[in-house]
Amino acid sequence: DVKVTQSSRYLVKRTGEKVFLECVQDMDHENMFWYRQDPGLGLRLIYFSYDVKMKEKGDIPEGYSVSREKKERFSLILESASTNQTSMYLCASTIRADTEAFFGQGTRLTVV
Amino acid sequence: QKEVEQDPGPLSVPEGAIVSLNCTYSNSAFQYFMWYRQYSRKGPELLMYTYSSGNKEDGRFTAQVDKSSKYISLFIRDSQPSDSATYLCAIGGGGNKLTFGTGTQLKVEL
Repeated sequence: DVKVTQSSRYLVKRTGEKVFLECVQDMDHENMFWYRQDPGLGLRLIYFSYDVKMKEKGDIPEGYSVSREKKERFSLILESASTNQTSMYLCASTIRADTEAFFGQGTRLTVV
Repeated sequence: QKEVEQDPGPLSVPEGAIVSLNCTYSNSAFQYFMWYRQYSRKGPELLMYTYSSGNKEDGRFTAQVDKSSKYISLFIRDSQPSDSATYLCAIGGGGNKLTFGTGTQLKVEL
């Protein structure tokens, strides 16, 4: 079974803090994604990586950056957390970018 | 127009009912069709995957794709309270990254 593991289930951070969300997959997938999910808005793509050290902006990259130093690990960084970044963050990996994605359990981030 | 449209619900049905969940899409290049189930405060899990028109059955679940109408459906037979979740459709292919519907919230009542 594909396993995608996110480092935290719940996080509470203060406004202005730098926040790191980590994601690890064990299936040697080339592609990894970070989404945020908000009620009524569905899944919105923040960043996408198709190879080590390669990244592409998604629909809502502002206020976020990413790092992919190893194939299995994809990190999302909130440079200076703000309250409007309170959300559910989901990491996913895929063999191909246009086929089935496998998700982690999600990180519920609250910025106070 | 969004690339994938999905009625958000909520949809409430009695136990044992047949549930029909639907999505429409606009890009005829799409060729891969998925349904995900997401329980509250969890990540989505892949439920059904198909890449052609027609039906695919897995236990109580049937995925149906009509490419000519750009319409996909998920049917749940003999629905159970444990089926209460949000169901998301996802569509990809033709070089396009996966595009998700906003999800339909389903509640199966005892």
